[in-house]
Amino acid sequence: EPEVTQTPSHQVTQMGQEVILRCVPISNHLYFYWYRQILGQKVEFLVSFYNNEISEKSEIFDDQFSVERPDGSNFTLKIRSTKLEDSAMYFCASSGQGALNEQFFGPGTRLTVL
Amino acid sequence: GENVEQHPSTLSVQEGDSAVIKCTYSDSASNYFPWYKQELGKRPQLIIDIRSNVGEKKDQRIAVTLNKTAKHFSLHITETQPEDSAVYFCAAIDHTGNQFYFGTGTSLTVIP
Repeated sequence: EPEVTQTPSHQVTQMGQEVILRCVPISNHLYFYWYRQILGQKVEFLVSFYNNEISEKSEIFDDQFSVERPDGSNFTLKIRSTKLEDSAMYFCASSGQGALNEQFFGPGTRLTVL
Repeated sequence: GENVEQHPSTLSVQEGDSAVIKCTYSDSASNYFPWYKQELGKRPQLIIDIRSNVGEKKDQRIAVTLNKTAKHFSLHITETQPEDSAVYFCAAIDHTGNQFYFGTGTSLTVIP
């Protein structure tokens, strides 16, 4: 069964550094999402992406964040200048038919900002 | 925006008993309500979902009920098993159809 994959599984970075989190959605899916989950807390929506543009973004997704689909398979989340409070698990998800249908989550990237 | 509240935050049941988790939402235009199960250190996985045009949906031991008037929906797990132990999140999709709002999660422990 196809799955969403994410790399790396764990990223450690220094405060102020840029990080890029990578995701490979399920191949025939068209809708892509990023979420974050601070340890022990709920999953929080960051951004949705469709047709090569952002569909919606939350208040968390400020100017320090950007997303890109650089080719036909990857979907990336970039944090330009990381802060301590960016430490969290970041999940990518994809859906074949939009948000009103099942979203398949990747295994997550644990980001630790020191 | 949408506000999803979930309770209880923790729930312990004896194996074989039923578990019920409840969520409320604020946006009356929300029309899709999935439930996710997240085992420790793993990704959330959809276990059941319901759309606003139905009041109840069942899949083996799992059922979800939706009361649109009261703006609440519930997850029911019957004949619980130890492998049901996990954190369960409810979610609601807002009227734009682009955002998911998750509840705060319920940590379910099934005691053998």
